[in-house]
Amino acid sequence: GESVGLHLPTLSVQEGDNSIINCAYSNSASDYFIWYKQESGKGPQFIIDIRSNMDKRQGQRVTVLLNKTVKHLSLQIAATQPGDSAVYFCAEGVHSGTYKYIFGTGTRLKVLA
Amino acid sequence: ETGVTQTPRHLVMGMTNKKSLKCEQHLGHNAMYWYKQSAKKPLELMFVYNFKEQTENNSVPSRFSPECPNSSHLFLHLHTLQPEDSALYLCASSQSGGANYGYTFGSGTRLTVV
Repeated sequence: GESVGLHLPTLSVQEGDNSIINCAYSNSASDYFIWYKQESGKGPQFIIDIRSNMDKRQGQRVTVLLNKTVKHLSLQIAATQPGDSAVYFCAEGVHSGTYKYIFGTGTRLKVLA
Repeated sequence: ETGVTQTPRHLVMGMTNKKSLKCEQHLGHNAMYWYKQSAKKPLELMFVYNFKEQTENNSVPSRFSPECPNSSHLFLHLHTLQPEDSALYLCASSQSGGANYGYTFGSGTRLTVV
């Protein structure tokens, strides 16, 4: 079946270092991808998205890379800060009237002082 | 706040109780969703409403009953739940059709069934 998964369930990073969170997806028809951040006690929050006609997109301190050949998505966070500690989800979307999303299980990012 | 408000934030209920979860969005979106989030599992889609009409029921047990009176409000009525229904219930909204920018989620209702 279709699935979206994450390579590392927990990632610990020193404050100031860069973080890379990876995600594999399986549906080649997926054409829209999102990274969400979920802090404790809150719902998932949109971070950055990318469409399948792109392979890289940059935001403020975050970059998403898409490799359609191997169905791989990554989120890079530059100069990781304590406030970045959270669970990060990737989601793949397929348009069928409206978009339907499959979410990954999430990676917990811990920022070490 | 994200523009999607869920109440209550926490709920403890017995297996014979009847309760309701409420979701309200102030974003002008026309699609609303209920998701279940359990520990160590991906988000599970439960129901989808587009323009107040239910367009998807993802094989959810009948003890969960959604209601969408208008595009801004969504309810999840609960009755005779089981302990395994304990989870975080997330409401989300989006603008269906045209460009899509994913969902806006509420903060969720943490449900404990005892």
